[in-house]
Amino acid sequence: RKEVEQDPGPFNVPEGATVAFNCTYSNSASQSFFWYRQDCRKEPKLLMSVYSSGNEDGRFTAQLNRASQYISLLIRDSKLSDSATYLCVVNEMNTGFQKLVFGTGTRLLVSP
Amino acid sequence: DAGVTQSPTHLIKTRGQQVTLRCSPKSGHDTVSWYQQALGQGPQFIFQYYEEEERQRGNFPDRFSGHQFPNYSSELNVNALLLGDSALYLCASRGEKRITGELFFGEGSRLTVL
Repeated sequence: RKEVEQDPGPFNVPEGATVAFNCTYSNSASQSFFWYRQDCRKEPKLLMSVYSSGNEDGRFTAQLNRASQYISLLIRDSKLSDSATYLCVVNEMNTGFQKLVFGTGTRLLVSP
Repeated sequence: DAGVTQSPTHLIKTRGQQVTLRCSPKSGHDTVSWYQQALGQGPQFIFQYYEEEERQRGNFPDRFSGHQFPNYSSELNVNALLLGDSALYLCASRGEKRITGELFFGEGSRLTVL
């Protein structure tokens, strides 16, 4: 079983749509969680952290369920510029150093 | 303020050859991690360097080795290249707040093995 699993997509949605991505992780000792965004042929960049209480950043909402080891990302009112791959990331601590474990990524295509 | 820089950006090698990739971390950052990203996959952790020592390692064979220099820059070496080593190699750095989880990535070195 992969450490972090995501539906690879692609998700094809029209502008203005709401889209949700899900992710599960296998290591129950994982300490923190993130969503990164990666544009085509570019490097990944941090989109947002994910907290148990849920957190929102504009049109983006992230949720974490530690009991189910499940992470989600909701994008409201999709824009063309949201087209990218969204990577679910889990932070595992070991001997005082953290290791970020990435999922395969979910590709989003927003069309006019 | 320069971000993470990597070189070369693209390179082509043949099976059995050796390659060295280089990385300069973001200014003020002291921890460097290397990731391999195959086409259509997420980045896979290779190893992490801090204070010139390898601190963590992913599931990669000994053909993959690295080094960190006193100025925090780093190299990734891959020996006896295989076709399957073709990938984007990403370097990422992190600063003092190593717990925050934010990695700053370079644009990567795209390696093609023929």
